[in-house]
Amino acid sequence: ETGVTQTPRHLVMGMTNKKSLKCEQHLGHNAMYWYKQSAKKPLELMFVYSLEERVENNSVPSRFSPECPNSSHLFLHLHTLQPEDSALYLCASSQDPRGGGETQYFGPGTRLLVL
Amino acid sequence: GQNIDQPTEMTATEGAIVQINCTYQTSGFNGLFWYQQHAGEAPTFLSYNVLDGLEEKGRFSSFLSRSKGYSYLLLKELQMKDSASYLCAVRDSTGGGNKLTFGTGTQLKVEL
Repeated sequence: ETGVTQTPRHLVMGMTNKKSLKCEQHLGHNAMYWYKQSAKKPLELMFVYSLEERVENNSVPSRFSPECPNSSHLFLHLHTLQPEDSALYLCASSQDPRGGGETQYFGPGTRLLVL
Repeated sequence: GQNIDQPTEMTATEGAIVQINCTYQTSGFNGLFWYQQHAGEAPTFLSYNVLDGLEEKGRFSSFLSRSKGYSYLLLKELQMKDSASYLCAVRDSTGGGNKLTFGTGTQLKVEL
């Protein structure tokens, strides 16, 4: 158990749908992250939140919209996605308030398929 | 920018030792992590190196040479459950940030 949970674990959506991914961490951390993992490609950092403030947006298209209402919860809102957005979306958390400093602990991911 | 290289695949025998190499290029190096990821599961933290040398943790050890931009993960007494992808990740503090950049991962297959 990593202490980071994600829902749903699997999601199939059409290009016109709106859906949200949820992440919750039970580790008392103060930084949270969204990563995208595509086949044969490295984990790509999408967003970083530190103390509920977005500190990093790694040139992610606006069809991905993050939300961090508190230090334990992180959402990724999805709207008008493209088939190439199909991937495993991983959430992670860490202790460092600057974001990214300490060891990051990952959730199990949401496997997303865009049709 | 950063460039992280590690082999795509490796195969080893149960009970043997395997070394997975990782080379990197980064301007603001501030630590190197190794993660293990089984298919369909979350990456799990294995080790962290920020100073040169060897860090040992049970059957797993990780080595770092900052001058050479090089690290390896050493797995001893291999077990079937060690079959997984091993991810090398470098932390960069350039510009005051503290980002992790991952390699593509090395898929290790342990055979009987």
